[in-house]
Formats: sequence, C-alpha cells, structure tokens
Amino acid sequence: SQQGEEDPQALSIQEGENATMNCSYKTSINNLQWYRQNSGRGLVHLILIRSNEREKHSGRLRVTLDTSKKSSSLLITASRAADTASYFCATVENDYKLSFGAGTTVTVRA
Amino acid sequence: GAVVSQHPSRVICKSGTSVKIECRSLDFQATTMFWYRQFPKKSLMLMATSNEGSKATYEQGVEKDKFLINHASLTLSTLTVTSAHPEDSSFYICSARGGGISYEQYFGPGTRLTVT
Repeated sequence: SQQGEEDPQALSIQEGENATMNCSYKTSINNLQWYRQNSGRGLVHLILIRSNEREKHSGRLRVTLDTSKKSSSLLITASRAADTASYFCATVENDYKLSFGAGTTVTVRA
Repeated sequence: GAVVSQHPSRVICKSGTSVKIECRSLDFQATTMFWYRQFPKKSLMLMATSNEGSKATYEQGVEKDKFLINHASLTLSTLTVTSAHPEDSSFYICSARGGGISYEQYFGPGTRLTVT
C-alpha cells in the first residue's frame, strides 16, 4: 500500500536553482529511500537514510529525515536540465518491501 | 551498481491472450524480486514479492491467477499476465535485492504493456 505522500506534485525551476521536495509517511520505518525516474524508464536509487539518521548528503543531493514529524525532504542544489525527472520517496519497514509516495515531477528549464 | 534487465521493453497484445515479462539480475543473485505496476503519472504499486524457489506473495487486491509469477532461479523471475484485457495496460517494473541485510533494490527499466 502507498504510504508516502509527496509535495509538491510538480515543480518547475530554472537551471542553477535549488529544488526541494517533501515526503510524509504514516507508520514507523526502518529507512527511507529516494529514487529518480526519467520518463518511461525504471527507477534509479539516489540515497538511503536510516531511521536513526537526520541528514545525509550525496553529491548535489541533501536528504533530511524527521521521524518525529514522519517527514523527509530532498534538496537538489544547482539543478541541471538532466535533473528533469520524477522523484519518489519510498519507506521501508522490516520486510524489505518499498512503499512509494506519489512522486514529485521536477522540470528544470535551461 | 547492480544491473537488472527486463524483456520485452514494450509489448502489444490482443485482448484474451497471455503475455510473459522476464526480469533478470545480470550480475548478482537476487534472492527476492518484486513486481510493480505503474499507471501514467502515478506512483509504483507493489503487486507481489517473489522469493527464489517459493510461491510469490501477492499484495491485497492483486489476483494471483491473473498475474502469475515464477521465480525459478536466483537470476530470473517472470510475470505472466493471463487473458489480458485493456485495463491491464500499464507499465510493469521489477526490482531485485541480493539478500542479506541490504535494503537496496535494483530496478529494471520497465515493460510497457498495451492490450488492444
């Protein structure tokens, strides 16, 4: 079942700007993951943050996790046209199953 | 990272026929594979979890007789859509995990099924 809810649903920014999207979830989690999906393609794993971590960085990506608010955010800094894609958060409980949010569609204008 | 392939990438079939989609882990042994369905502009919905050598576990609301899953080896899982109807048209994506304590899943590129 779908657990995460993401906001905004869509985001349009200029190249070089930062993009921030948020994800909220309902139950306790083991970890939370962010994925990217280019149109009509499979998913690419971006970053995993464990429930005992508060912030994680990977290149131009910064993820935060607030378990008290059951929310996470993904920040893409200095966006590029190639960052145009849909971004999904996915929560993992203890059974390795991913429960995906609705996704945020990001369009980076050149 | 690990590579997962799917075949075919696109398939068009007539209503009433069956379609088989293959998911292969190319460079690792996948103890568990997952099958997802995605509608246009929507999120992924988990259909079933398959473990090598055992029966698949289906999510609530997914018809197991409609969507047959076989995980015959550590590198191959198949999804067969039986007696397909236009409402089965969708994007089907598989993922695989290698086992152990790793939570990372590797996704295939997806299969676009169109039933006419």
